[in-house]
Amino acid sequence: QVQLVQSGTEVKKPGSSVKVSCQASGGTFRSYDINWVRQAPGQGLEWVGGIMPSLGTPNYSQKLRGRVTITTDESTSTAYMEVSSLKSEDTAVYYCALVSSGTVFDYWGQGTQVTVFS
Amino acid sequence: SYVLTQPPSVSVAPGQTARITCGGDNIGSKNVHWYQQRPGQAPVLVVYDDSGRPSGIPERFSGSNSGNRATLTISRVEAGDEADYYCQVWDARSDYVFGSGTKVTV
Repeated sequence: QVQLVQSGTEVKKPGSSVKVSCQASGGTFRSYDINWVRQAPGQGLEWVGGIMPSLGTPNYSQKLRGRVTITTDESTSTAYMEVSSLKSEDTAVYYCALVSSGTVFDYWGQGTQVTVFS
Repeated sequence: SYVLTQPPSVSVAPGQTARITCGGDNIGSKNVHWYQQRPGQAPVLVVYDDSGRPSGIPERFSGSNSGNRATLTISRVEAGDEADYYCQVWDARSDYVFGSGTKVTV
């Protein structure tokens, strides 16, 4: 059983950056497709981007491309998502979600609240 | 971009059947997945690949997909089923796409 544990709450000022981590345990890290999904207050789920550690090439949503960077550290089975030039609209809970096969998000982290506040 | 359309809300009495639809262009050609999200919690997968059920999910949850509509059916609805439900697909041009979500009220 895979478990995903994310880093804690972040409060940032507009224009700054935030980096959220997601550590996986209980599976073979490099064989999974690790994604990030966010949820603004009272809104639905929005895919941010993803990466397969074995391939190393990330893929980003068109909306956030240019401001988001997803990386992995296989030595610690950890994925990172960094969002730069933060805006108030980036305020959301950010989830890491893992695809073990196909196109389904099998496992989810507990979520990280990111608040952009001046 | 590929769009998935869900009704904002569905109300159902305990013990009855809830049906949540997810509309999309030729969605029947795609694999549809459904997630349940209770307030303040992370989403949980309840149906994958149109009609598969993950380990631990009750048989009361089932899915179907054909044409331009996929459906999540919850039979013998219980109070604990009250939550938001999202459909999701992968599209070659849009990557991962979620529906807008449906709030189920019991």
